Amino acid sequence: QVQLQESGPGLVKPSETLSLTCTVSGGSIRSATSFWSWVRQPAGKAPEWIGRIYTTGTTNYNPSFKSRVTISLDASRNQFSLMLTSVTAADTAVYYCAREVRVAVAVGYLDNWGQGTLVTVSA
Amino acid sequence: EIVLTQSPGTLSLSPGERATLSCRASQGLYTSYLAWYQQKPGQAPRLLIYGASSRATGIPDRFSGSGSGTDFTLTISRLEPEDFAMYYCQQYGSLATFGQGTNVEIK
Repeated sequence: QVQLQESGPGLVKPSETLSLTCTVSGGSIRSATSFWSWVRQPAGKAPEWIGRIYTTGTTNYNPSFKSRVTISLDASRNQFSLMLTSVTAADTAVYYCAREVRVAVAVGYLDNWGQGTLVTVSA
Repeated sequence: EIVLTQSPGTLSLSPGERATLSCRASQGLYTSYLAWYQQKPGQAPRLLIYGASSRATGIPDRFSGSGSGTDFTLTISRLEPEDFAMYYCQQYGSLATFGQGTNVEIK
C-alpha cells in the first residue's frame, strides 16, 4: 500500500510562495502506472484538483491556477513538490498529495491520499 | 471545464435505509471516467468507485455505482452507521473536477 505524507510551512504570507513536499513510501515515484497529484480543499468546500506529474516529468495543471503553479519531482528522494506563487487568503486550504492510478494518457483516478496539511495565508 | 452537479445537497436517512446519490455532468464523460469518494470530518477523501461502477479495493458491496454519459448514481443499499459522511463525485477524463458534494446525515 502506497503511503504519502505532506510537509511544509503551515503559514505563508500574502504575495509569497507556498511550497509543499510529498514523501512517497511503499511504492516508487518512478512507477509507470501512477501519476502524483496535488488536491486542495478550503474549509467546508469540495476538493479542487491542482495538478499532476508523471515519472517522465510531464505535468498537467488545472487552468484555474494559470501560471502560478509548478509541480516537480525528485526521484532520488521519492518525493514530489508543489509551488504556488503569489498566494492570497483564497489559497488557504488543506492541501493533499495523492497518487492517481494511470488509466490512459493524462487520465487517472485518486486512490491513495496523504493525511493533508493545512496551509493558512495570512500576514 | 466539465462541471459536475450533485443532488441532493443533503440526504437525511436512517441506518438500514437505501441511499441514492446523483451526479450530473455538464457534458458527456468519455469512457465513464467518473469516481466517487467518501469523506469524514478531519480525514482525506477515500476512493469508493472508479470507472463509474468498479468498486475500489476493500469497499463493501453495499456500495455500487452506475450510469454513463452525463448521469451517474452512487447507491448505498443499506446504510451502516459508518456510512454517514460527505460524498463527492469526480470526473477524471478531462483533467479533473469534483462535484460540490452530498452530505448523508442521520435522520
